[in-house]
Amino acid sequence: DAGITQSPRHKVTETGTPVTLRCHQTENHRYMYWYRQDPGHGLRLIHYSYGVKDTDKGEVSDGYSVSRSKTEDFLLTLESATSSQTSVYFCAISDGNYRGSSNEKLFFGSGTQLSVL
Amino acid sequence: EDKVVQSPLSLVVHEGDTVTLNCSYEVTNFRSLLWYKQEKKAPTFLFMLTSSGIEKKSGRLSSILDKKELFSILNITATQTGDSAVYLCAVEAGGSQGNLIFGKGTKLSVKP
Repeated sequence: DAGITQSPRHKVTETGTPVTLRCHQTENHRYMYWYRQDPGHGLRLIHYSYGVKDTDKGEVSDGYSVSRSKTEDFLLTLESATSSQTSVYFCAISDGNYRGSSNEKLFFGSGTQLSVL
Repeated sequence: EDKVVQSPLSLVVHEGDTVTLNCSYEVTNFRSLLWYKQEKKAPTFLFMLTSSGIEKKSGRLSSILDKKELFSILNITATQTGDSAVYLCAVEAGGSQGNLIFGKGTKLSVKP
């Protein structure tokens, strides 16, 4: 299994509070991703990173920010959590090449169940 | 807009049955199609297909891609209760900076 650790595994928080989810990898992969998974929507990309301090928005980035100060860590922050952000959040990593990988295989972490009350 | 559509959304079969899961796609600059199996937690990689007509096989699971008709199928023969899971199809499209576009998944339940 790919060395990906997400923390926390579960979190319950209140509307309006900031929340940070952490993803840590030991594979030295260049690409890291944050997805959310909701019933009826499948996996949707929030943000991704293609290197230290290099990040970009995904399909559902509103209300989220990310940071990557080290290769191994990718943080997802909800500045002011809302109930619509209740979801399961998955971090994923890839060893694909920048600009055109034909060997794109994502390896996923075990997920963080976030509940915003 | 790029999209990936899986069918059926859910399926209930009995052990020993053979099932076929479908994935159709409309994306710009197709690169590859991937299948994942998701049980309770993280999706796990099954297959990656890039060329039409070449079957990928792993035990009782197999998959094939048709780039002309823009679809893929995942076959599972002699199903077992351990095959119960959500099967996800994802497509890598050109210009997406490595992003995969996922379908909503097919939930397979295998009854003893």
